[in-house]
Amino acid sequence: QLQLQESGPGLVKPSETLSLTCTVSGGSISSSSYYWGWIRQPPGKGLEWIASIYHSGSTDYNPSLKSRVTISVDTSKNQFSLKLSSVTAADTAVYYCARHRGSAVAGRGIDYWGQGTLVTVSS
Amino acid sequence: DIQMTQSPSSLSASVGDRVTITCRASQSISGYLNWYQQKPGKAPKLLIYAASTLQTGVPSRFSGSGSGTDFTLTISSLQPEDFATYYCQQSYSIPTFGQGTRLEIK
Repeated sequence: QLQLQESGPGLVKPSETLSLTCTVSGGSISSSSYYWGWIRQPPGKGLEWIASIYHSGSTDYNPSLKSRVTISVDTSKNQFSLKLSSVTAADTAVYYCARHRGSAVAGRGIDYWGQGTLVTVSS
Repeated sequence: DIQMTQSPSSLSASVGDRVTITCRASQSISGYLNWYQQKPGKAPKLLIYAASTLQTGVPSRFSGSGSGTDFTLTISSLQPEDFATYYCQQSYSIPTFGQGTRLEIK
């Protein structure tokens, strides 16, 4: 059974960089036909897609966050990562890593999700 | 960005009721529409992809329809475990989600 697990600091100071890693177990991140991505959800609010990556390194980004976001993949560790720079309180959210069936664009849904990790931006 | 608008934003219903949630896209997205269920404190769960295809393991009381800009999620006979928040999501372009529909017990 595929499992995804987010890890990283739960508290980040304003203007600093948020860094999260997703470890994939029970399957290979290099499997064809799947992209890997990040989605976030501010407390009590809806879902916002952030970015996705293929094992080859091909990426897609949410235009509203693109200037601050970097997604990367480490196939040797079966992990992918998110960096979000210059964070503010508005970036406080539960961050989910997830698997896209197909690419994020023209794909067939997000079928596996991590449990989510709350990241709070505060001094 | 393609904007996704769900209606209603909240809904009260009883066990056994038939419920329909609507999702409208700001432009045509063909059939690139997915539905998710989210319970408090949990990650979303994929219910339906490509507008009408039931994800493996999802009960058949869930169904989806639509194409272009207008889509619906129907639950034919509500069960206690169905009370949750539902989100639509388009995958025609950079993904965007609807604002969610909270389904509550009447």
